[in-house]
Amino acid sequence: DAKTTQPPSMDCAEGRAANLPCNHSTISGNEYVYWYRQIHSQGPQYIIHGLKNNETNEMASLIITEDRKSSTLILPHATLRDTAVYYCIVRVYNTDKLIFGTGTRLQVFP
Amino acid sequence: DADVTQTPRNRITKTGKRIMLECSQTKGHDRMYWYRQDPGLGLRLIYYSFDVKDINKGEISDGYSVSRQAQAKFSLSLESAIPNQTALYFCATSDSGTAFGGYTFGSGTRLTVV
Repeated sequence: DAKTTQPPSMDCAEGRAANLPCNHSTISGNEYVYWYRQIHSQGPQYIIHGLKNNETNEMASLIITEDRKSSTLILPHATLRDTAVYYCIVRVYNTDKLIFGTGTRLQVFP
Repeated sequence: DADVTQTPRNRITKTGKRIMLECSQTKGHDRMYWYRQDPGLGLRLIYYSFDVKDINKGEISDGYSVSRQAQAKFSLSLESAIPNQTALYFCATSDSGTAFGGYTFGSGTRLTVV
């Protein structure tokens, strides 16, 4: 599975969009990009995943560059409850395991 | 009730003791996983199971063993606990079907080995 690179921390004002970048320059054609988040010490929570098209759900949007070497998770209107560690993971669809890095710690401030 | 339940939530044990962490799920998923998280770090995979008869080692299986008693139950054992196994442990499940929606994690077990 390809490795990912994320900034260790980011800040965002409440109500603004939070844009979390992820670099995955060695991604293969059959590898998906997954995003999870972990609030405090709770179990990680699935957010979204995609292959090459942009994806949107009720939680977030995922923008994947055309060359698939990087992606951005967008929380359109960040709230204080979105303060968490966000993990970007790439892996072959429906294969055995997720490999977590250290993620980005997002702090949403009032 | 939670989809993925881990017991106990917190446990303090002594060095050398055997301890079992349990995980049960009501998701109907066939795949189950055990992860460990150390402070400030991401999760590392210990063991995973695709079905009752399929058990696989993850990144850091040394010092651990698992048992898949049923589709819904997957337990993790530390045969002889040591202090560097102090960590937060998570169980997770996933669906092998085509309607893949991600992993579901339990709330974690905080284990302290003294």
